Amino acid sequence: NAGVMQNPRHLVRRRGQEARLRCSPMKGHSHVYWYRQLPEEGLKFMVYLQKENIIDESGMPKERFSAEFPKEGPSILRIQQVVRGDSAAYFCASSPEVDSYGYTFGSGTRLTVV
Amino acid sequence: DAKTTQPNSMESNEEEPVHLPCNHSTISGTDYIHWYRQLPSQGPEYVIHGLTSNVNNRMASLAIAEDRKSSTLILHRATLRDAAVYYCILRGLASSNTGKLIFGQGTTLQVKP
Repeated sequence: NAGVMQNPRHLVRRRGQEARLRCSPMKGHSHVYWYRQLPEEGLKFMVYLQKENIIDESGMPKERFSAEFPKEGPSILRIQQVVRGDSAAYFCASSPEVDSYGYTFGSGTRLTVV
Repeated sequence: DAKTTQPNSMESNEEEPVHLPCNHSTISGTDYIHWYRQLPSQGPEYVIHGLTSNVNNRMASLAIAEDRKSSTLILHRATLRDAAVYYCILRGLASSNTGKLIFGQGTTLQVKP
């Protein structure tokens, strides 16, 4: 039973380019959470999605960031026109239901903007 | 979500027990106490959770104070692989916060051989 799969593990983008981060939840999990960890800082919640719906995006920056979780396929976190301050580790977690006691996290995507 | 307070860092010797404290004096009656840990260069990993009673699993034990204003994560025999940042998180019902986890700074545990 594969865990939460995130790819790519490392992503390098030049300023102004787009970054697309993918998260495939565990089999049977329909809830996905995205978190960001800036260098030397803690994990910050970004967005919570269920299949085809955004439930809570209170942690998402107002501009350039978007997320989706389509009926088929992985959840995508998209960052347009990246800036150096977007350099961070992005983690997703999945659960089978919203009140699950433990979430399973992926190994993260480390985005570097040059 | 209610706030938790943890020491910034702790040290332990290998094969000795470790007690990681967490204060949560503003905990509400429906808040569960969750512990996650994050090993270097990895995503967080669920460790254990509880509501009122002490809990044990294969990874650790969770001791919860009778008034629930504090808790302690217990690693019975620390190994070098237990060196990580340990997060104590209060999580209410999904109806109140959509189930998201609010991470603090956690406790960085160093294990010495």
